[in-house]
Amino acid sequence: GAGVSQSPSNKVTEKGKDVELRCDPISGHTALYWYRQSLGQGLEFLIYFQGNSAPDKSGLPSDRFSAERTGGSVSTLTIQRTQQEDSAVYLCASSFGGKDTQYFGPGTRLTVL
Amino acid sequence: RKEVEQDPGPFNVPEGATVAFNCTYSNSASQSFFWYRQDCRKEPKLLMSVYSSGNEDGRFTAQLNRASQYISLLIRDSKLSDSATYLCVVTVPKVAGNKLTFGGGTRVLVKP
Repeated sequence: GAGVSQSPSNKVTEKGKDVELRCDPISGHTALYWYRQSLGQGLEFLIYFQGNSAPDKSGLPSDRFSAERTGGSVSTLTIQRTQQEDSAVYLCASSFGGKDTQYFGPGTRLTVL
Repeated sequence: RKEVEQDPGPFNVPEGATVAFNCTYSNSASQSFFWYRQDCRKEPKLLMSVYSSGNEDGRFTAQLNRASQYISLLIRDSKLSDSATYLCVVTVPKVAGNKLTFGGGTRVLVKP
């Protein structure tokens, strides 16, 4: 079946612009996670959704970062006033339940010039 | 100190040889343990879970040592296709969800 999909696959933006990254989880998966992978930092957790609510936002690095999920499905990660240090690959993962195996999407490679 | 630490490598391995590497974790409350594999510019994919008694999946063997807080991965009869970065992953019990904490990865290069 279809896996986790993310769009766009690549995004180049100028410093100070806002960007939106999209994640389509595997159908039927109630849990959705956002992670970020940057050079020198490895993979780090950003936020967790169960359904449409986000019980764990502890990984969001600043208030410029926000995310929402609608219909228990698609999620959007928004970064406002992008900075060069936001350049990274943003990965989305979904799982059937909150404690189940997570499956990752291909990621969005964000470059902030 | 990072929560999960790995030797970044690279481990240069002749084809057909055995390679093993460890990862250490700092939180004694860590509950679940995994090895993920990540190919260059690709997403991480679950390789195997790691169980207390140790477990094997084909050429791959994982071990967990809770007392010393490390897990290991051993690859036997290495194939060229085993070249990848291997990510050690742990979870800590939380009320909400299952946040994965990743090590920095160990790069393995299998050469003919």
